[in-house]
Amino acid sequence: AQKVTQAQTEISVVEKEDVTLDCVYETRDTTYYLFWYKQPPSGELVFLIRRNSFDEQNEISGRYSWNFQKSTSSFNFTITASQVVDSAVYFCALRGTSYGKLTFGQGTILTVHP
Amino acid sequence: EAGVTQFPSHSVIEKGQTVTLRCDPISGHDNLYWYRRVMGKEIKFLLHFVKESKQDESGMPNNRFLAERTGGTYSTLKVQPAELEDSGVYFCASSRAGQGARNEQFFGPGTRLTVL
Repeated sequence: AQKVTQAQTEISVVEKEDVTLDCVYETRDTTYYLFWYKQPPSGELVFLIRRNSFDEQNEISGRYSWNFQKSTSSFNFTITASQVVDSAVYFCALRGTSYGKLTFGQGTILTVHP
Repeated sequence: EAGVTQFPSHSVIEKGQTVTLRCDPISGHDNLYWYRRVMGKEIKFLLHFVKESKQDESGMPNNRFLAERTGGTYSTLKVQPAELEDSGVYFCASSRAGQGARNEQFFGPGTRLTVL
């Protein structure tokens, strides 16, 4: 069975602070894909990043960066110099070798105060 | 290119009534998925269509839920009769054909269903 755990239910920061959202996963598949999605107040889920299990290189995209560590089964997401517009619910998700369904974590509510 | 659309955005019904949710995937996307988020919990998979065929319906909670995808285009999810525990946000997603595990799924805005 696959499982994704986002232990942080809610995080509150002040603008310009850095914030890291944790994601820990469980899977028996040797090949799998990890995703992060953002759900702004408007409700839709916005795709942020996909990482496959063979690529442990960290990735940076503007103020966003992702740290994938297979040894600890973690795929953490860091926002540098947070902004109010970053306020949203963030979901980590996993897909195994049988293409199709995503297994999501419970989501982390991020609130960035001005 | 239009994104995934869902209708209605909100639905409030009474227990025992029937509700039908609709999803229009991105044009040309063969894969269509339904998910549900109940009471702030994790988003859970319901089922997966490849074109008009059900590839995986392991997440459907019970036989009160019926999903169809006529002609491999839009999809409907009918709940009949609705129960209180069916309340939640129903998301639809679509992705391109082939290399399915690699392709990201694009999500619609969801339908918020409230059963009173």
